[in-house]
Amino acid sequence: GQQLNQSPQSMFIQEGEDVSMNCTSSSIFNTWLWYKQDPGEGPVLLIALYKAGELTSNGRLTAQFGITRKDSFLNISASIPSDVGIYFCAGQLNTGNQFYFGTGTSLTVIP
Amino acid sequence: DVKVTQSSRYLVKRTGEKVFLECVQDMDHENMFWYRQDPGLGLRLIYFSYDVKMKEKGDIPEGYSVSREKKERFSLILESASTNQTSMYLCASAPGTVENTIYFGEGSWLTVV
Repeated sequence: GQQLNQSPQSMFIQEGEDVSMNCTSSSIFNTWLWYKQDPGEGPVLLIALYKAGELTSNGRLTAQFGITRKDSFLNISASIPSDVGIYFCAGQLNTGNQFYFGTGTSLTVIP
Repeated sequence: DVKVTQSSRYLVKRTGEKVFLECVQDMDHENMFWYRQDPGLGLRLIYFSYDVKMKEKGDIPEGYSVSREKKERFSLILESASTNQTSMYLCASAPGTVENTIYFGEGSWLTVV
């Protein structure tokens, strides 16, 4: 099945720094979703995006649905130690109900 | 809040055993999914269901079957467990509406020895 290209694969940052990650696809998506997964747990939904150009925030997290509908971005501002985890994107094509997933970005925050 | 509940968090089974992984969602969602997650391979779709008694193969259905007798419940069955099925299994559900969102359970860690 299709996988989304997510980058970077991993990030090591100092507490307080901002973080950016993105996902790209060769296909046009009508939905972009961002999740955080802690070790041994299921993914938890952070932000859902449904319209091209849409910018949505959830606390210190901001995500954008790219204008081309082929990409999405997630930013985390002023990172804290509990931001540690794996972040991944998911998308849904215009047709069909399957979701496609990014390979994940592993975030480490150094206190 | 959407709740997707997986009945077993941790299981250890012997090779050749039949294994049942149960999943229940409480939001009347149309669509339900089973994925497995392995390091370096990401999430891979095993089976999904758009309706009661309906199922579709995903990317890696071999060695698995599913059952959806009721809308809220989607079961994954390993007919004869093998060591290469040791993995984290994730159940998910989605409403299937225009603004669709997929919600995951907590995961089931299966070890086959």
